[in-house]
Amino acid sequence: GEDVEQSLFLSVREGDSSVINCTYTDSSSTYLYWYKQEPGAGLQLLTYIFSNMDMKQDQRLTVLLNKKDKHLSLRIADTQTGDSAIYFCAERRYSSASKIIFGSGTRLSIRP
Amino acid sequence: NAGVTQTPKFRVLKTGQSMTLLCAQDMNHEYMYWYRQDPGMGLRLIHYSVGEGTTAKGEVPDGYNVSRLKKQNFLLGLESAAPSQTSVYFCATQRGTRESLDTQYFGPGTRLTVL
Repeated sequence: GEDVEQSLFLSVREGDSSVINCTYTDSSSTYLYWYKQEPGAGLQLLTYIFSNMDMKQDQRLTVLLNKKDKHLSLRIADTQTGDSAIYFCAERRYSSASKIIFGSGTRLSIRP
Repeated sequence: NAGVTQTPKFRVLKTGQSMTLLCAQDMNHEYMYWYRQDPGMGLRLIHYSVGEGTTAKGEVPDGYNVSRLKKQNFLLGLESAAPSQTSVYFCATQRGTRESLDTQYFGPGTRLTVL
């Protein structure tokens, strides 16, 4: 995950919005993903965005992509206790379609 | 339709012992992967396979071997376990195209402790 960086922890109050940030280094990244890992489980794909898009919205989730700054963010509106998990940013490069590079994950905790 | 399964779920080994982790998939995916997950380090790719009979090294292959004799199975072997191999191991599969939704599907993980 050295090419994809995320902060390790985020704490938000229930009902507030959570914003998880990610930076990547390879300009040939074509597909960017957000995965969610709940305690004791494997990763599950949460959402994704193509590199030719700036924004994607899916219910409570909004993904923003700034290609110039190589910055990706995931916003979760109205954060609930069920959103407590580790969120991984990941990129896939056109040059290496068989590999997905994962960030180190951001642990989101919700406080009442 | 079980998706991706991993056997065993938990294992405790003594230093120097050997073991094999099994990953099985019923999705007919071409690509399969083994990762290890350690606190604060995210997922690190150990080995992967882009088809039956093929394997390739990932980011941290030392101390591990793999085999993909059948398309649906990907085995990860530890010949002589070391405490540094204490980790949670995840298997993942991918259909094997260049489509955007050709993402990876993960198994539930194997928690391995080496004493």
